[in-house]
Amino acid sequence: EPEVTQTPSHQVTQMGQEVILRCVPISNHLYFYWYRQILGQKVEFLVSFYNNEISEKSEIFDDQFSVERPDGSNFTLKIRSTKLEDSAMYFCASKGLSTGELFFGEGSRLTVL
Amino acid sequence: AQKVTQAQTEISVVEKEDVTLDCVYETRDTTYYLFWYKQPPSGELVFLIRRNSFDEQNEISGRYSWNFQKSTSSFNFTITASQVVDSAVYFCALSEAGASGTYKYIFGTGTRLKVLA
Repeated sequence: EPEVTQTPSHQVTQMGQEVILRCVPISNHLYFYWYRQILGQKVEFLVSFYNNEISEKSEIFDDQFSVERPDGSNFTLKIRSTKLEDSAMYFCASKGLSTGELFFGEGSRLTVL
Repeated sequence: AQKVTQAQTEISVVEKEDVTLDCVYETRDTTYYLFWYKQPPSGELVFLIRRNSFDEQNEISGRYSWNFQKSTSSFNFTITASQVVDSAVYFCALSEAGASGTYKYIFGTGTRLKVLA
């Protein structure tokens, strides 16, 4: 069964460092998302991406964040200068239909020290 | 504004009991979609069901059933004869078209279900 894959599964970084989280969405999907979940809390929308551009972003997704689909398969989330409060599980998701359900990856846990 | 409320933070039941997880939503759109996801202790988010705003038929899938009522803006989830493996956090989510036309998905705060043997 096709699935969304994310790497790394866990990354530990120092505050101020750049981090890139990678995602390979399901191959025929067109819509891509990043969500984050601070430990034990709600799943929060960060950004949606369609047709090679950001379609919507939340207030969390400030200038420190960026997304890219560099090669038609990977979908990356970059945090330029990490802060302690960026520590969270980051979920990538994709869907095939505009109104369809999101299929999530297993998440990348980011720990900022 | 779009909002999903799951008022039950945590529920504990004994195995084989039935349990209902509540979800109430707010939207100004007439076309929207509702979802339930399960997050087991391993952390992944597993899709359970999708329902569109024009389809109020209740659905049953094995021990799971969903009751969608537009009149009360609720989309409740019932697990019949609960099992220990049902222990997880369950999220209700709502999607409607955003300003760009792309659907944005908003999750509730989740209900942690503990099923005790």
